[in-house]
Amino acid sequence: NAGVTQTPKFQVLKTGQSMTLQCAQDMNHEYMSWYRQDPGMGLRLIHYSVGAGITDQGEVPNGYNVSRSTTEDFPLRLLSAAPSQTSVYFCASKDQGWSEKLFFGSGTQLSVL
Amino acid sequence: DQQVKQNSPSLSVQEGRISILNCDYTNSMFDYFLWYKKYPAEGPTFLISISSIKDKNEDGRFTVFLNKSAKHLSLHIVPSQPGDSAVYFCAASQGGSEKLVFGKGMKLTVNP
Repeated sequence: NAGVTQTPKFQVLKTGQSMTLQCAQDMNHEYMSWYRQDPGMGLRLIHYSVGAGITDQGEVPNGYNVSRSTTEDFPLRLLSAAPSQTSVYFCASKDQGWSEKLFFGSGTQLSVL
Repeated sequence: DQQVKQNSPSLSVQEGRISILNCDYTNSMFDYFLWYKKYPAEGPTFLISISSIKDKNEDGRFTVFLNKSAKHLSLHIVPSQPGDSAVYFCAASQGGSEKLVFGKGMKLTVNP
């Protein structure tokens, strides 16, 4: 049982480059989200989706785009990477409804030089 | 403005003793609280939760206490084991909201 799968695990970018962080889940969860973890800042919500075709902004959405064309996939796009986007990125999913129990992927460590 | 606060960045305890991890929140509309555990190079994993209609929830060695009047919750681990060494995140949500708000995390070290 794969759960939430994130690729790549590590990535180094130059300022201004673009890339897409991939996230896929096989639990048929309607809700998916992206968080970033920075030292001393905890986990901060970037974007989330409550179903295919529906996305919304979280706490720190600037510089990131998302789309949700299928239930399984929720990619995060950096259009023009900046050093401030150096972070560890986590994708998470959960059942809809009252349960807030999130299932996290293992993370993508991104460095922007 | 941080809505969920974990004011102690780290805690060190001896194996077999109790670990008490604290969390404070400022938003009185929060009604569901969770603790996550995170090992290095892994994603956070769910540990235990509590809704605002309860003041205590127990799961094996882990107990979460909620004091709504003080806007405070705590996680007790008894007895602590070396495998409990990890970063612990407190999180909260408001009913119907899809946004889970996390604290900064606290690193627990359990010494053999």
